[in-house]
This record gives sequence, structure tokens and C-alpha cells, in this order.
Amino acid sequence: GQSLEQPSEVTAVEGAIVQINCTYQTSGFYGLSWYQQHDGGAPTFLSYNALDGLEETGRFSSFLSRSDSYGYLLLQELQMKDSASYFCAVRGGLSTGAGSYQLTFGKGTKLSVIP
Amino acid sequence: EAGVVQSPRYKIIEKKQPVAFWCNPISGHNTLYWYRQNLGQGPELLIRYENEEAVDDSQLPKDRFSAERLKGVDSTLKIQPAELGDSAVYLCASSHSPSTSEQFFGPGTRLTVL
Repeated sequence: GQSLEQPSEVTAVEGAIVQINCTYQTSGFYGLSWYQQHDGGAPTFLSYNALDGLEETGRFSSFLSRSDSYGYLLLQELQMKDSASYFCAVRGGLSTGAGSYQLTFGKGTKLSVIP
Repeated sequence: EAGVVQSPRYKIIEKKQPVAFWCNPISGHNTLYWYRQNLGQGPELLIRYENEEAVDDSQLPKDRFSAERLKGVDSTLKIQPAELGDSAVYLCASSHSPSTSEQFFGPGTRLTVL
């Protein structure tokens, strides 16, 4: 089976930096994705890490350590519009077949940005 | 480019009634996914299609849930009969292929079963 752990809630001040951690346990692993979801909205893709290291896209960066089964999403220069839920998702549950493309989501981290 | 379209956006039904959800993916996306998202949880995959073939339906409760994707474009997810525990948001997503890292989600259908 697979399990992902991420903090349920995080609060940060506008303009600050926040890091949302994700640890996972999985029988097969191809990569770690991050999605953002505003209340009542659709999840939107932020990033995907298949290899160890840091990927940067504007104010958002994502990091992966395969040996530690750990990743994080870093949000810089926080804005009020960044208030949303952030989900990490592991791609791959089984090492072969249909499961290798399966995306398993964590329970999400609700980020509140305060003035 | 139009996004993933879903309808209806909201549905309220009595338990034991049937319900159907419709999804039209992004044009050219061969892979289509149905997810269920319970309140305070992440999306959970129900079924994945590659073109018109259901290639991963291991998590679809087949006693009451069914899905189809005729002609490999739009798709319908049905529940019959609905139970109280089926109340959730049903999300449809699509991607160019199953190996594509980015999935594009629709706005979802919020189902309430009374």
C-alpha cells in the first residue's frame, strides 16, 4: 500500500516563506507531484519531481529526496491568493502495469496567509 | 484552450436514487480519470481510461458504480443506487497520456445524498 503524510494546516504571513513537507511510503515510486486547490475549485498542477533535487518555478519550488522518501513545496513571497490547500501526490503504487501510472494524493495541507 | 468540463456542478438526491456525472476532457487528451474527493481529503482515483478502454478500475466499487467512455472522448460516471456515504465531490481529470506528469482537473460535481 501507499501512505503520505503532510501537515494538516499551516499559517504564514504575507510576504514570508513557507515550506510544506511531505513524507511517503510506497511499494513503487516514479515521482512526487504537488497540486494546489482553492476552496470549491479544481486541483491545479504545480510541479513534478522524478529525480532528487530542487525544481524552481517562479515563486514556487519543489524538492525531492528519494533516499529519504521525502519532499517539500516551498512558497516564497507569499501572497493572499496563495491561501489554499496543497496536496502532495505520489505517482506509482505498483512497480509494473496500470499501477505505475496511478497518482495517490495526501490529505492536503491547508495554508492560510495572513496580512 | 478550453479546460475539462463537468456537469452538473451540484446534485442533491435521495438515497437509493441513481445519479450520473458527465465529463468532457481537454481536446486531444487520450487519458481520462475519475476521482472522488471526500471533505478534508485528497482525491482518490476511481477509474482511468486510455482512449475508450478502462485500464485501471481497481478502486471502482463495481457493485454500484459504472463508467463509460464511448468513442474515447467524453465520459459518464454513474452510481446506482446511491448511498449516504457517496456524498463527495467527483472530479474528472485528463492528460495527454498516462505518463504525462500533469493532470488537468475539472471543477467537479458536488454530490449530496440525503
